[in-house]
Amino acid sequence: SQQGEEDPQALSIQEGENATMNCSYKTSINNLQWYRQNSGRGLVHLILIRSNEREKHSGRLRVTLDTSKKSSSLLITASRAADTASYFCATDTDTGRRALTFGSGTRLQVQP
Amino acid sequence: DAGITQSPRHKVTETGTPVTLRCHQTENHRYMYWYRQDPGHGLRLIHYSYGVKDTDKGEVSDGYSVSRSKTEDFLLTLESATSSQTSVYFCATRGGQGAPANDSPLHFGNGTRLTVT
Repeated sequence: SQQGEEDPQALSIQEGENATMNCSYKTSINNLQWYRQNSGRGLVHLILIRSNEREKHSGRLRVTLDTSKKSSSLLITASRAADTASYFCATDTDTGRRALTFGSGTRLQVQP
Repeated sequence: DAGITQSPRHKVTETGTPVTLRCHQTENHRYMYWYRQDPGHGLRLIHYSYGVKDTDKGEVSDGYSVSRSKTEDFLLTLESATSSQTSVYFCATRGGQGAPANDSPLHFGNGTRLTVT
């Protein structure tokens, strides 16, 4: 079963605008991670937020986590055409496999 | 990720034939994973390995087997391919030589696109 569900499934914005993607999950987590995937490539780690953190920043990325609502959001500020990609949230639960459970992703299109 | 190589990158095969996908890493990571990616499903875990000769099932393991004879290599085998196994397959590694830290990311290869006709 999918742990994370992203919203929206697709998002189209103009360069310079902000992009916000949301992720909801079902069970308690150790941390939540966001990944980016360019067309035809593997996923690349963007940012991690621990379960005891509420907000984290990295460059133009801002991630929030609300464990009471089991949700997270990824904000990309001042978007660029190069930000066009799919974005996935992934949750890390306390299991021995140390695997991440991924959502279905948000496809972001940034128009130049 | 420069340290993870998947081969082949593309493969077309017929229903009922065996297929083996290879993942090679130079990171010396102990944990390795096979995921499949399908539209609307995100990535789903097929099998994972927590060391040489140590493997276990993920959520969608039916019809797949894996082997890990060396730290560097993790093989995924479809014993008798079916059309439902048409997908993009990703290998990933995590952590160091021991169990991955809770705040460590996954590192992915660039995937193998498999089409079963």
